Amino acid sequence: EVQLVESGGGLIQPGGSLRLSCAASGFDVSTSYMSWVRQAPGKGLEWVSVIYSSGSMYYADSVKGRFTISRDNSKNTLYLQMNILSAEDTAVYYCARDPGTGYYDDSWGQGTLVTVSS
Amino acid sequence: EIVLTQSPATLSLSPGERATLSCRASQSVSTYLAWYQQKPGQAPRLLIYDASKRATGIPARFSGSGSGTDFTLTINSLEPEDFAVYYCQQRSHWPPLTFGGGTKVEIK
Repeated sequence: EVQLVESGGGLIQPGGSLRLSCAASGFDVSTSYMSWVRQAPGKGLEWVSVIYSSGSMYYADSVKGRFTISRDNSKNTLYLQMNILSAEDTAVYYCARDPGTGYYDDSWGQGTLVTVSS
Repeated sequence: EIVLTQSPATLSLSPGERATLSCRASQSVSTYLAWYQQKPGQAPRLLIYDASKRATGIPARFSGSGSGTDFTLTINSLEPEDFAVYYCQQRSHWPPLTFGGGTKVEIK
């Protein structure tokens, strides 16, 4: 059974850093396209970043230069390093798996809440 | 960046009625469009991909259609568990991946 479990969220002050983790089971992150998607309170879904099976990484303009996506194949875990956080980054962060088709995300984690506030 | 516009923002219907949700793309995405359902406090769930293909385990009352710039998600005979927010997502020109703003299907 495919499962994704996020962790690492919490309350952080503006300008701070946080690293999110997404532990995967039932499949290999190395052979999938893994994304981070966020949802601000009461708002819609916003794509944040993706890492392809090839290792190529892409980011939304809103986080480019501040966030870094990575994976540890030995731990079968996806990460999102978030730096220079601002109130606009407050959201529930979901990791999502595309099995390598490029056409859909068929599995999502339960999400982890990041709150940026002083 | 491709912009997806969903309409209506809110759809008020009764159980047993048919729901018709629209998603319009700012440029052609061929059939590379997916639909997701999200209930309060839950993660999104894949319903439809490739515009019209149902994901594993999705009931037949959910159907998708369209190509190019205009797409429709139809829910025949709404069940109580179908009242939720629905998002479309384009998978044609990405990154960046883009989502529509969502349509909330609420109980009338």
